[in-house]
Amino acid sequence: GQQLNQSPQSMFIQEGEDVSMNCTSSSIFNTWLWYKQDPGEGPVLLIALYKAGELTSNGRLTAQFGITRKDSFLNISASIPSDVGIYFCAGHTGGAQKLVFGQGTRLTINP
Amino acid sequence: DAMVIQNPRYQVTQFGKPVTLSCSQTLNHNVMYWYQQKSSQAPKLLFHYYDKDFNNEADTPDNFQSRRPNTSFCFLDIRSPGLGDAAMYLCATSSLLLAGGNEQYFGPGTRLTVT
Repeated sequence: GQQLNQSPQSMFIQEGEDVSMNCTSSSIFNTWLWYKQDPGEGPVLLIALYKAGELTSNGRLTAQFGITRKDSFLNISASIPSDVGIYFCAGHTGGAQKLVFGQGTRLTINP
Repeated sequence: DAMVIQNPRYQVTQFGKPVTLSCSQTLNHNVMYWYQQKSSQAPKLLFHYYDKDFNNEADTPDNFQSRRPNTSFCFLDIRSPGLGDAAMYLCATSSLLLAGGNEQYFGPGTRLTVT
């Protein structure tokens, strides 16, 4: 089946640093979504991407839909303590209403 | 302003004792999903309703059932919970009638403990 490879699996950074994570696949997706999940809570949608090459920002977050439609990245600038959590990428291929999730990136920030 | 609501947030049940988790939404979305999430893993889709049409994932155990009596509510029934069913259960919604129909919106989850 379809798989998304998300990396890195975990990141340990200092407050104020920039963060970058990405997802790749051997399959083409027509939608990329990025979610953040806090402990004990459900995932919250951060950014949705619908067009190849699209670059979208949401505050300090920026995400891009790869030109090949097989990858996406998420950048966080000037990290703050509340950025701590697990970030998931998810892709949608159209047709059946299902998402394929990456394995997640756990972000830890040292103050 | 909660859009996808799950009750209860924490549920403890005994091994083999049926349990029902509930989800409601104020978004009027036509698709509702149930996911199972175990620690440090991605959510795993159990099934979804497209309006009244039920779509089961091939690897979802028969122990898991779902009901959607109307657009706003969806229930997850676990007929005989085993220790391996302890997990976070997430409800999500999406709308095929709106632009951005592939976006899924999650509830806060129900943490199920099986004793």
